[in-house]
Amino acid sequence: EVQLLESGGGLVQPGGSLRLSCAASGFSFNKYAMSWVRQAPGKGLEWVSAISGSDGLTYSTDSVKGRFTISRDNSKNTLYLQMNTLRAGDTAVYYCAREYDSSGYPYDAFDIWGQGTMVTVSS
Amino acid sequence: SYELTQPPAVSVSPGQTASITCSGDKLGQKYASWYQQKPGQSPVLVIYQDRKRPSGIPERFSGSNSGNTATLAISGTQAMDEADYYCQAWDTTTYVFGTGTKVTVL
Repeated sequence: EVQLLESGGGLVQPGGSLRLSCAASGFSFNKYAMSWVRQAPGKGLEWVSAISGSDGLTYSTDSVKGRFTISRDNSKNTLYLQMNTLRAGDTAVYYCAREYDSSGYPYDAFDIWGQGTMVTVSS
Repeated sequence: SYELTQPPAVSVSPGQTASITCSGDKLGQKYASWYQQKPGQSPVLVIYQDRKRPSGIPERFSGSNSGNTATLAISGTQAMDEADYYCQAWDTTTYVFGTGTKVTVL
């Protein structure tokens, strides 16, 4: 069964750091681009960052550039999101999601989503 | 930055067709995708590449994309289709999601 399982969320103070993980199973992880998508409480979906399947190309939305870093370990079938200098506005459920196409590059849609992990930034 | 705009809410009677629009500059030149999200659940892909349905998605879901507007249609709407729907496209180096539409089945 194709599955994504996020972990690492929690409560953190403003200015703090957190690392999210997403364990993938049931598919050839290194063939797919992966992304993090977040959803603030009661709000819509917002794409955060993406990474290509095997050559390490990364893409991020402007609001997290310089603060968040997406990475992956294909030997462990795991996607990561290192979040630094967190702000109240980063409070959200964070989902990892798989790019639909197995080209290894982001350009289309997300066909598999994890269950999400909650990140709360508050003092 | 690129933006996709959806109506906040759409109401539909059971058995009728619900149409949700997604507007963006020259959206017809990009691939549009649609997601369904029910309360407390992760989003589910219902349409990709403008009009294709993933395995397991009912035929009553259909999509189109032309000019500046993509449209998701739900024919023969059922109570189980009540949810939030989001369009999405890839613009150069970023994914963009629409503002979201709450579909209510009255």
